[in-house]
Amino acid sequence: GAVVSQHPSWVICKSGTSVKIECRSLDFQATTMFWYRQFPKQSLMLMATSNEGSKATYEQGVEKDKFLINHASLTLSTLTVTSAHPEDSSFYICSAKDHTGGTEAFFGQGTRLTVV
Amino acid sequence: AQSVTQPDIHITVSEGASLELRCNYSYGATPYLFWYVQSPGQGLQLLLKYFSGDTLVQGIKGFEAEFKRSQSSFNLRKPSVHWSDAAEYFCAVIEGGTSYGKLTFGQGTILTVHP
Repeated sequence: GAVVSQHPSWVICKSGTSVKIECRSLDFQATTMFWYRQFPKQSLMLMATSNEGSKATYEQGVEKDKFLINHASLTLSTLTVTSAHPEDSSFYICSAKDHTGGTEAFFGQGTRLTVV
Repeated sequence: AQSVTQPDIHITVSEGASLELRCNYSYGATPYLFWYVQSPGQGLQLLLKYFSGDTLVQGIKGFEAEFKRSQSSFNLRKPSVHWSDAAEYFCAVIEGGTSYGKLTFGQGTILTVHP
């Protein structure tokens, strides 16, 4: 099956710094990728939809200036958490849909962000 | 707005016992329904999905789920649980015709398997 790779798997950063998370589709091209956030013992919540070559679409309540999304190619989307604070500590997961069609979006392994 | 409810936060079963995880959705039309499994600290793996047709769908790892429109349910079942099935399970839904990545997830059910 299709593979989506996220990097890094985990990261610890100081409060006030920025962190970039990469989401790559390894064996297919994805015009659309999705970013989810999962707080401990909670479900996944969609943060934004990342569209190749255009601006991301953010869900209500998600600060677009804090969570910068760039989807510069058909195989890479990045999420940058700017000026991170401890409350941003979470598990971030991306998914990607093959642009040729299909009915499934494939998930990355997730990134555990801890802000200290 | 569509929503997904998993009434059971935590279920414990003995290895070899049968399993049923409940999922109810709220949506006017027929949704597209999914079950995912997540091991600790890992991403999500698709177990099965339902779009249309036969309401009993078979998935990987011996799982199956049945779509019941009258009950707005899509319960996940397995006849005999293995210790390796211990994980968290998420039911999810998307609106038909929209992007297949824009999922709404239930709260998740943690499955513990006793030897």
